Amino acid sequence: QSALTQPATVSGSPGQSITISCTGTSSDVGGYNYVSWYQQHPGKAPKVMIYEVSHRPSGVSNRFSGSKSGNTASLTISGLQAEDEADYYCSSYTSSSTLVFGGGTKLTVL
Amino acid sequence: EVQLVESGGGLVKPGGSLRLSCAAPGFTFSNAWMNWVRQAPGKGLEWLGRIKTRTEGGTTDYAAPVKGRFTISRDDSKNTLYLQVNSLKTEDTALYYCTTDQGINWLDPWGQGILVTVSS
Repeated sequence: QSALTQPATVSGSPGQSITISCTGTSSDVGGYNYVSWYQQHPGKAPKVMIYEVSHRPSGVSNRFSGSKSGNTASLTISGLQAEDEADYYCSSYTSSSTLVFGGGTKLTVL
Repeated sequence: EVQLVESGGGLVKPGGSLRLSCAAPGFTFSNAWMNWVRQAPGKGLEWLGRIKTRTEGGTTDYAAPVKGRFTISRDDSKNTLYLQVNSLKTEDTALYYCTTDQGINWLDPWGQGILVTVSS
């Protein structure tokens, strides 16, 4: 199972919106609504921001939203804040009953 | 608040073995699917495998690169998850996290991670 494809870097200014893409195949992203997104600050454990494509866990800001079209999922962060600067990883359930992560995207808030 | 605490990491020579543990006190551990994920230094997250509940047969699934070399098990009486890692290679050097499924592919919470270094 190959890793999902994410852009290596994304940047935006405070207040702007950014979108991170996550491309897989029909055997993972495109085949199931089990895509999640994780935020990881340096030296910290990952934190789930979105699950099942577009659901936010309790406590996660509504500035974070998720969507999916075909084999590509997306994470959108609106009203960028300095604290959003982190690495972001997508993940998908697969047809092999395994999970697969994307390579990660480093978000820089300018 | 659920806390997961990994232990058992350290420095190991290539070809060696190690057993990592993940303690989950104050948590209905027996009802939870548990996962191991690792992160090599400066690299991304890599899912290693999962074990389902005992009532679901304790079924395990593994990522292809580690299948046959890594074994996940659980002791519900001790609220503890294990990862047996054999025939270690230098590329297995990583921070190993345990995490639980709140739903399919909804991994939360995560432990703080335990470092495994494979070097001669």
